[in-house]
Amino acid sequence: GQQVMQIPQYQHVQEGEDFTTYCNSSTTLSNIQWYKQRPGGHPVFLIQLVKSGEVKKQKRLTFQFGEAKKNSSLHITATQTTDVGTYFCFTPGGSYIPTFGRGTSLIVHP
Amino acid sequence: EAGVAQSPRYKIIEKRQSVAFWCNPISGHATLYWYQQILGQGPKLLIQFQNNGVVDDSQLPKDRFSAERLKGVDSTLKIQPAKLEDSAVYLCASSLVFGQGYNEQFFGPGTRLTVL
Repeated sequence: GQQVMQIPQYQHVQEGEDFTTYCNSSTTLSNIQWYKQRPGGHPVFLIQLVKSGEVKKQKRLTFQFGEAKKNSSLHITATQTTDVGTYFCFTPGGSYIPTFGRGTSLIVHP
Repeated sequence: EAGVAQSPRYKIIEKRQSVAFWCNPISGHATLYWYQQILGQGPKLLIQFQNNGVVDDSQLPKDRFSAERLKGVDSTLKIQPAKLEDSAVYLCASSLVFGQGYNEQFFGPGTRLTVL
């Protein structure tokens, strides 16, 4: 079946440093979504990527979808304390069960 | 626009007891999901409904878990009997339509279940 690996599991940064989380799938994906979950909160949708090689930006966040549509990344430039939380990639399914990655917890030190 | 509603927010039960969770999705959302999120992990899909039909329940432990979505609107998830390993947050989410273009999921606040 489909496997979704997300790394790293945790990332500590100083405020102002950059952050990247990676998501890798064992199968080719039709699309991929990213969610953010604040501590004690519920996942909130950030973005969906559909096209091979797609790059989307939201202010300091940059999302990429690999050319082979088997991997994706989320990059945050100049982190702020408001960026704290766990970032999940999500593969919506189709031929496979919709699956969340394990998540990357971002801890920002002021 | 009202979000996804869930109740209760917290529940503590003894093992072997029964428990039920309720979810009311965003109005007009055809697809409803139940997830189990164990501490430190990503949400795991238990069951997915499209209107009142089941799209996927392959990861639902059917010997103890059941779910229904009568009339294609709100839904209940039941555990009977509960085990210690069922301690988790149960999240309900809804989206407009599954598998067609933009299917962003909107999550409810979740129910935190503790089984003692």
